[in-house]
Amino acid sequence: SAVISQKPSRDICQRGTSLTIQCQVDSQVTMMFWYRQQPGQSLTLIATANQGSEATYESGFVIDKFPISRPNLTFSTLTVSNMSPEDSSIYLCSVEVLAGGNEQYFGPGTRLTVT
Amino acid sequence: GQQLNQSPQSMFIQEGEDVSMNCTSSSIFNTWLWYKQEPGEGPVLLIALYKAGELTSNGRLTAQFGITRKDSFLNISASIPSDVGIYFCAGQLAGSARQLTFGSGTQLTVLP
Repeated sequence: SAVISQKPSRDICQRGTSLTIQCQVDSQVTMMFWYRQQPGQSLTLIATANQGSEATYESGFVIDKFPISRPNLTFSTLTVSNMSPEDSSIYLCSVEVLAGGNEQYFGPGTRLTVT
Repeated sequence: GQQLNQSPQSMFIQEGEDVSMNCTSSSIFNTWLWYKQEPGEGPVLLIALYKAGELTSNGRLTAQFGITRKDSFLNISASIPSDVGIYFCAGQLAGSARQLTFGSGTQLTVLP
């Protein structure tokens, strides 16, 4: 498994501002992902954070709105830019660990409220 | 994107009862994962399945990878109050770049 921490754990932000969320893993991992979980909903993949290259975004998510950095194999950041109330969600990072197959482990999440 | 149909959406059961939930899809999956999420926390991996027909247990939890590779179920035996939470299935599509597709979740409530 992997131990994953996220900062901040929660924040309340004003519309139009940006927030950067950090994800730190206790071991080197190849694959890191960012998910969004809207209130009462399931998880939706935002992007795959690639080390040393641009992130790969899923349909409906763009780099200008959700810029991602992955400077090394243990750390990534997700920025939520020019926020609106619709961005109020839990943002989760996950990492893939190669065990018997490919297992993904999640951080505790960042609960974002935009007012 | 691909859809995973997870049912039931919610369950209210008495402590001590067994629980069953499942996920189905029209697509073929290489991996099935089952997670539990409690309020204010990230999903916690319960069971991982990698082969069609595989049956795996983790304490009172048992999950199976369907023979057709399009479905999976999770059973919880002799439920206890701390089983309360949202259970998600997640699958890794055959041929995909290792992203997970999540089911809509099953909210489990255990009544004393």
